[in-house]
Amino acid sequence: DQQVKQNSPSLSVQEGRISILNCDYTNSMFDYFLWYKKYPAEGPTFLISISSIKDKNEDGRFTVFLNKSAKHLSLHIVPSQPGDSAVYFCAASVWGGNMLTFGGGTRLMVKP
Amino acid sequence: NAGVTQTPKFRVLKTGQSMTLLCAQDMNHEYMYWYRQDPGMGLRLIHYSVGEGTTAKGEVPDGYNVSRLKKQNFLLGLESAAPSQTSVYFCASSYQGQSNQPQHFGDGTRLSIL
Repeated sequence: DQQVKQNSPSLSVQEGRISILNCDYTNSMFDYFLWYKKYPAEGPTFLISISSIKDKNEDGRFTVFLNKSAKHLSLHIVPSQPGDSAVYFCAASVWGGNMLTFGGGTRLMVKP
Repeated sequence: NAGVTQTPKFRVLKTGQSMTLLCAQDMNHEYMYWYRQDPGMGLRLIHYSVGEGTTAKGEVPDGYNVSRLKKQNFLLGLESAAPSQTSVYFCASSYQGQSNQPQHFGDGTRLSIL
């Protein structure tokens, strides 16, 4: 039973528009969430994170929103650029824990 | 600055063969991790280490063994490879294990078991 789910395997958006990637979790003990970005033939790289004491965290074009009551988080990319085309993984952890639980990933394609 | 280096990048094995995957990091990180990535499954933790000489089981440890004899190296072993172990394997490291310390990943080892 996957505790972190990304229900959209792929997403296609036009350059300059907003990309919204979604992630749901079931374990109420999770209180820290991260997004990683992965290009083909490379390892994932850390993008942005949020703790459960916040409902929003912003870093440049990337914003993560957390809705604890719905056990849902989303990553917004504005404006989207062709270089953002990659697979995005959300991950969750219990604060202070040693383990990350990853979602299955969403492949984002940004068309010029 | 190499970061996390995985060796080899590709390997094909026959069922029943054994092999060791090597991970090396030059960031003086305490924590190291081995994951496997399968289509639609994301990354699943196999084993991890919280420091030199320590190892612990992750989510999917069966069929794998690990060793952390030196702080900078973390080895993943398959004693008797099975087709179900065909996957892409990623090693990662972090300064500490707390979740607010992002993990740094290597570029992966693509392993096929025939």
